[in-house]
Amino acid sequence: EAGVAQSPRYKIIEKRQSVAFWCNPISGHATLYWYQQILGQGPKLLIQFQNNGVVDDSQLPKDRFSAERLKGVDSTLKIQPAKLEDSAVYLCASSQSLEQFFGPGTRLTVL
Amino acid sequence: AQTVTQSQPEMSVQEAETVTLSCTYDTSESDYYLFWYKQPPSRQMILVIRQEAYKQQNATENRFSVNFQKAAKSFSLKISDSQLGDAAMYFCACPSGTYKYIFGTGTRLKVLA
Repeated sequence: EAGVAQSPRYKIIEKRQSVAFWCNPISGHATLYWYQQILGQGPKLLIQFQNNGVVDDSQLPKDRFSAERLKGVDSTLKIQPAKLEDSAVYLCASSQSLEQFFGPGTRLTVL
Repeated sequence: AQTVTQSQPEMSVQEAETVTLSCTYDTSESDYYLFWYKQPPSRQMILVIRQEAYKQQNATENRFSVNFQKAAKSFSLKISDSQLGDAAMYFCACPSGTYKYIFGTGTRLKVLA
């Protein structure tokens, strides 16, 4: 069984630029999560999808972050414009029930 | 509000010895699961063990076991016969809603040869 795929693995941008991350969950997993993990901290939930609907985006900075999950499969997380404090690892996870399966993450550096 | 506290930023253990990582939590959920995840330098979060809150018996997975004290809201992870491959960040996760979890700040485990 293929795991959660994410790309790119690394991204370096300058502040005020835009960036997009892609996630392909495990086949059949209805729930998809995006987390932000700042260095030295645990993952913080940004947004949770159930199929192609948003369940929780209360911690998503909507003035600059957006996410979509078209057709209830792949998902894209975008940041526009990026700030220095957005430097972090962005983790995607999917689940069918209780256990979340994580992808390898994307390390974003904003200069 | 749900909270998770891992009070040990870093722990060290000799190879083949036993180490216990602490976690306390607070949740308003009545029936829930708790998780320990491992995050090696590769960054991929891997599930180590989970505990069902309504079960009194502590979960065990090979060398990993938990000490779950529901009344005290404590959920510690014990690693027996530590191996070099156990070196990683360990995160405790507790529920914050339906299929949603919040994570602690993590404990970095070093295994000394």
